[in-house]
Amino acid sequence: ETGVTQTPRHLVMGMTNKKSLKCEQHLGHNAMYWYKQSAKKPLELMFVYNFKEQTENNSVPSRFSPECPNSSHLFLHLHTLQPEDSALYLCASSQDHGNRDSPLHFGNGTRLTVT
Amino acid sequence: AQKVTQAQTEISVVEKEDVTLDCVYETRDTTYYLFWYKQPPSGELVFLIRRNSFDEQNEISGRYSWNFQKSTSSFNFTITASQVVDSAVYFCALSEIRHGNQFYFGTGTSLTVIP
Repeated sequence: ETGVTQTPRHLVMGMTNKKSLKCEQHLGHNAMYWYKQSAKKPLELMFVYNFKEQTENNSVPSRFSPECPNSSHLFLHLHTLQPEDSALYLCASSQDHGNRDSPLHFGNGTRLTVT
Repeated sequence: AQKVTQAQTEISVVEKEDVTLDCVYETRDTTYYLFWYKQPPSGELVFLIRRNSFDEQNEISGRYSWNFQKSTSSFNFTITASQVVDSAVYFCALSEIRHGNQFYFGTGTSLTVIP
């Protein structure tokens, strides 16, 4: 089983829909992250949870709502999205957000298309 | 200003050629970490290497080698005898100790190895 699993792999949603992305890590890590990857742009950090507490929210619009019920699971709830939100959403985990030498381990991502 | 610059957007090489991917970073910290990740078409970013700012020793792992030079703020990645399976997008990243414990990613270099 892969270390970080994301579902679904692909998602197409209309602007009025509500959907959720799911991430699960099996590495025993304590930090989990959501990143947005758009074409020709650096990866954008969206949210960070360390020991289930949200430690960073990088000015993400409220139409994206994270949830971290435990150290192994992370959700991204989506509602009233815009077409420009179409991107690859990557989940990652690391041992501890406070340890900067701890590499990030990524999932395969969810390819989101907003129509 | 971009903290991590990967000037090469796309590179194509013929199989068995050597190729070097450039990475230039910017930081005022004396302690920082540099990483390389590989993103194959499947989407998952795969961790390749971590280097801390106090260790300028170059590293070789099979066909992969990394050249870290603090004097030029560069952390270049060379693949020798490239193979088709090396085709992917490669990201360089910087992690600073002081500033919010963030990872800063470059925009990536898309490598295509032609058989």
